[in-house]
Amino acid sequence: ETGVTQSPTHLIKTRGQQVTLRCSSQSGHNTVSWYQQALGQGPQFIFQYYREEENGRGNFPPRFSGLQFPNYSSELNVNALELDDSALYLCASSLGRSGVKNIQYFGAGTRLSVL
Amino acid sequence: SQQGEEDPQALSIQEGENATMNCSYKTSINNLQWYRQNSGRGLVHLILIRSNEREKHSGRLRVTLDTSKKSSSLLITASRAADTASYFCATVPDIIQGAQKLVFGQGTRLTINP
Repeated sequence: ETGVTQSPTHLIKTRGQQVTLRCSSQSGHNTVSWYQQALGQGPQFIFQYYREEENGRGNFPPRFSGLQFPNYSSELNVNALELDDSALYLCASSLGRSGVKNIQYFGAGTRLSVL
Repeated sequence: SQQGEEDPQALSIQEGENATMNCSYKTSINNLQWYRQNSGRGLVHLILIRSNEREKHSGRLRVTLDTSKKSSSLLITASRAADTASYFCATVPDIIQGAQKLVFGQGTRLTINP
């Protein structure tokens, strides 16, 4: 167990809807990163939050947005869902942004299906 | 886009044998990490090797890094059925500012046969 919890475990939405995924980071971790993993692929970086501010973003459109709260938990919001958004969404927390502090501890993920 | 390529994409061996997986990447890196993923769930960090290191050990794991060839290998010795999983290498680009994001390869699916 990594101490990173994600909710919900599974989610089914229809195209055009909006979704919010949640992540509680490991105690003492101030950095949260989100990844999208399509079936059979490696995870792809969406964005990272460090002390409540976005600290870098991958190649994802603006309809993917996030938040980090004072307790360092985080949300990922996706608007106007598309079929290709169907994937496993992984949250990872780390002690910091660089070096060995950037070893990331992953939650079990949220499986999103868009119909 | 994925930074790295892993080879092989799938590997099936008998319990007790050694498993070797390879990873190649494209840009200069700060460090390279290996993760394991069971059945499409969360990833578990296995080992981190810095760009100035050439080899690292952790239990039955041995990782090598060749920055001149932009490649790394993961060796699992004396494999067990519980090692059945997907293994990913992830590089952290050598950048000064911004997120030190993990850039994953596509993974190697390892199956250990009893």
